[in-house]
Amino acid sequence: NAGVMQNPRHLVRRRGQEARLRCSPMKGHSHVYWYRQLPEEGLKFMVYLQKENIIDESGMPKERFSAEFPKEGPSILRIQQVVRGDSAAYFCASSPWDLPNSPLHFGNGTRLTVT
Amino acid sequence: ELKVEQNPLFLSMQEGKNYTIYCNYSTTSDRLYWYRQDPGKSLESLFVLLSNGAVKQEGRLMASLDTKARLSTLHITAAVHDLSATYFCAVDGWDSNYQLIWGAGTKLIIKP
Repeated sequence: NAGVMQNPRHLVRRRGQEARLRCSPMKGHSHVYWYRQLPEEGLKFMVYLQKENIIDESGMPKERFSAEFPKEGPSILRIQQVVRGDSAAYFCASSPWDLPNSPLHFGNGTRLTVT
Repeated sequence: ELKVEQNPLFLSMQEGKNYTIYCNYSTTSDRLYWYRQDPGKSLESLFVLLSNGAVKQEGRLMASLDTKARLSTLHITAAVHDLSATYFCAVDGWDSNYQLIWGAGTKLIIKP
């Protein structure tokens, strides 16, 4: 049973370019979460999605960031016009809908570097 | 605003020693999680603590939760080099079970 799959593992973008991060949840999981981790810090919640629905995006910056989880295919975190401050590790996690007390299962993350 | 504080943030210790990592949080929460992260890797779930007085053990690691004191501890017994990692505690946000609020992490180095 494959775990949470994220790609790419590493992504380098120049300032002003777009970054697209992909996440496929574990099989059977319909809830996806995105977190951002700055160096030497804990994770910060960004957004929580279910299929075709954004449930909570209160942790997302108001501009340049968007997320989706279409009916078919992976969840996408999109960052437009990247700036140096966007450099971080972005982690996706998933959970089964009916086990709220279960821990989140994390992917290996995408490390974004903006030059 | 819910805050989670871990201490120490950095710990270097010798193999065979015992030590405890502390996790304090500022408001009531139903669930507390401990995760492990190796450098450049993902986060691995270690424990989920759901009630006051909960104690869980896995190998040389034991976690406990005191909801009245808003404190969780992660105790390491007879440390071995393979336990070197960064350990995070996380607490449910006040109005959800997914908006986890994370501590800054404790970087643990165990010297052979």
